[in-house]
Amino acid sequence: DGGITQSPKYLFRKEGQNVTLSCEQNLNHDAMYWYRQDPGQGLRLIYYSQIVNDFQKGDIAEGYSVSREKKESFPLTVTSAQKNPTAFYLCASSIKGPPGDIQYFGAGTRLSVL
Amino acid sequence: SQQGEEDPQALSIQEGENATMNCSYKTSINNLQWYRQNSGRGLVHLILIRSNEREKHSGRLRVTLDTSKKSSSLLITASRAADTASYFCAPDKAAGNKLTFGGGTRVLVKP
Repeated sequence: DGGITQSPKYLFRKEGQNVTLSCEQNLNHDAMYWYRQDPGQGLRLIYYSQIVNDFQKGDIAEGYSVSREKKESFPLTVTSAQKNPTAFYLCASSIKGPPGDIQYFGAGTRLSVL
Repeated sequence: SQQGEEDPQALSIQEGENATMNCSYKTSINNLQWYRQNSGRGLVHLILIRSNEREKHSGRLRVTLDTSKKSSSLLITASRAADTASYFCAPDKAAGNKLTFGGGTRVLVKP
């Protein structure tokens, strides 16, 4: 079964804690992305990576960190510096990156603060 | 970035009716994509229209693109309850740029 797997589906963060969201793809895609979605809003790009061992900041990277050590994996860490982390986080991948590339999305992780 | 802006923000129709939503963007594009998001789920790609195309069809979906007006429209014909979702446009500019999404149009199809 090919696709993108995000885990966990629900995650709770305590004050001052770092949490890591997992994103794995078996589509052999070069590019991967992390988006944040707030209720009733569109998607905002956090980080993206077009090749292993390389990644770029998106529009709202502050308080987040990523790594891309393997082609199939692009974990996102929400650090304690992110003061308002409650949101729906979506991971996506595409063959090589824009232009003209279709993005395939995971089912998302919903992060809440305790 | 190249964010699209969808209009209207929300749309409520009866099953069997057509639904039309619009997208406007600011600068020149290579192509424009439309995605659907069911509540609490990830986005699903619907259709991609290139800058040199004016209209494209996929099943009950019809997308138009007017580059002179920097706008696109998505028409869903003969809507079904299963079409209830949010629809996002994503203009795509030059190589090396990232895809960005507008705020979406929330469509409710009543049975």
